[in-house]
Amino acid sequence: DAKTTQPPSMDCAEGRAANLPCNHSTISGNEYVYWYRQIHSQGPQYIIHGLKNNETNEMASLIITEDRKSSTLILPHATLRDTAVYYCIALDSWGKLQFGAGTQVVVTP
Amino acid sequence: EPEVTQTPSHQVTQMGQEVILRCVPISNHLYFYWYRQILGQKVEFLVSFYNNEISEKSEIFDDQFSVERPDGSNFTLKIRSTKLEDSAMYFCASSGDNFPYEQYFGPGTRLTVT
Repeated sequence: DAKTTQPPSMDCAEGRAANLPCNHSTISGNEYVYWYRQIHSQGPQYIIHGLKNNETNEMASLIITEDRKSSTLILPHATLRDTAVYYCIALDSWGKLQFGAGTQVVVTP
Repeated sequence: EPEVTQTPSHQVTQMGQEVILRCVPISNHLYFYWYRQILGQKVEFLVSFYNNEISEKSEIFDDQFSVERPDGSNFTLKIRSTKLEDSAMYFCASSGDNFPYEQYFGPGTRLTVT
C-alpha cells in the first residue's frame, strides 16, 4: 500500500471550512484513498473514500488531484466535535489499515 | 445504527496472566480485525480474520496472541501470558463483504498490565 504524508497539525475556527491535505505520490492505479478520524482515544471512524473523482457525503468532501498524487479532505463547517486526528490511508481492497501519525485538527471557538 | 461493541471497557491484569478481550462485530459483517494503540502512539494492526481463519497478522501478533470466533456473534483476542508492554487500547473492527469495505471500530478495551 502506498505511503501517505500529512501535516502533523492544523487549527481551524469553528464554522469555517477545514482543508486537510494528504500526499500519496506513489499511489497505484487500483488503490483508493480512505479517510478516517479518531476522536480522543475512541475507535477510529470511517469518513469517506475515493479513487479519482471528487466525492461528497454527509460528513465531508474529498478532492483528488487529476494525477492522484494528492488529495484534500474538506470539512465544510467545522464544529468543536470535529477536533480529532485525521488519517489518510491508501488501500486497494479489504485488509489492514496502516495508520500513520495523521493530522491533529483542533477546532477553536 | 448497528455498532461494534467491546467488553470489558477496562481490564487490569498482572503480568503473566491470560486475558481475553471480547468483541461483537456488526451482525452481517464477514471481515474482522484487531488493532492496538499504545498510549501516545499510532494505531497498529494486529490481525485480520475471514472465513474462520487468520488472513493476515503483523509481527506484533506472536505466539502469545490468538483469535477466535467461538460462535456466530463474538470475536475474541486472547493474550496467553501478558507482559507490561501489552498495556494498550485494543480496538476490534469489522467490515462487510462489499466495496468500499469500510471498517467500523468498537470503542476499545483499555488493557493495563501491572
